[in-house]
Amino acid sequence: EPEVTQTPSHQVTQMGQEVILRCVPISNHLYFYWYRQILGQKVEFLVSFYNNEISEKSEIFDDQFSVERPDGSNFTLKIRSTKLEDSAMYFCASSGASGDNTQYFGPGTRLTVL
Amino acid sequence: GNSVTQMEGPVTLSEEAFLTINCTYTATGYPSLFWYVQYPGEGLQLLLKATKADDKGSNKGFEATYRKETTSFHLEKGSVQVSDSAVYFCALSRGGYSTLTFGKGTMLLVSP
Repeated sequence: EPEVTQTPSHQVTQMGQEVILRCVPISNHLYFYWYRQILGQKVEFLVSFYNNEISEKSEIFDDQFSVERPDGSNFTLKIRSTKLEDSAMYFCASSGASGDNTQYFGPGTRLTVL
Repeated sequence: GNSVTQMEGPVTLSEEAFLTINCTYTATGYPSLFWYVQYPGEGLQLLLKATKADDKGSNKGFEATYRKETTSFHLEKGSVQVSDSAVYFCALSRGGYSTLTFGKGTMLLVSP
């Protein structure tokens, strides 16, 4: 069964460093999303991406964040200068095959900023 | 704006007990409603969904009915198993390919 994959599973970085979180969505999907979950809190929407551009973003998704689909398979989230409060689990999701708008999630990347 | 409220956990049950996890929502229009489950160490998996009022979503013995009059989408299972131990998230979408708004999640612990 097709699934969304994410790498790495755990990323530790120093405050101020750049990180890139990677996702491979399900191959025939057209819509891509990033969510995050700070420990003990809700899963929060960050950004959605369709047709090679951002379709929607939350107030969390400020200038420190960017997304890219550099090739036909990967979807990345970049944080330019990480802050302590960026520590969270980051989930990628995809949807959009054959009229099914269900979002399918990856296993997540745990980002720890020291 | 849109919001989802779930009952606080953890919910602790013995195997074969009846499960209810309450979920209520606030939204304009007619959202789609979802339950996702997160097993330890894994990502979010879709458990069931309902896209219009009075629809019942069901999967793996779990059920939830979209109640517009009470703005609720409570999750139920008649007889839980140890393997159902996980965190359950209620979520809504405005429809189409729009974003998901999640509740805080409810941890379920089932003991033998």
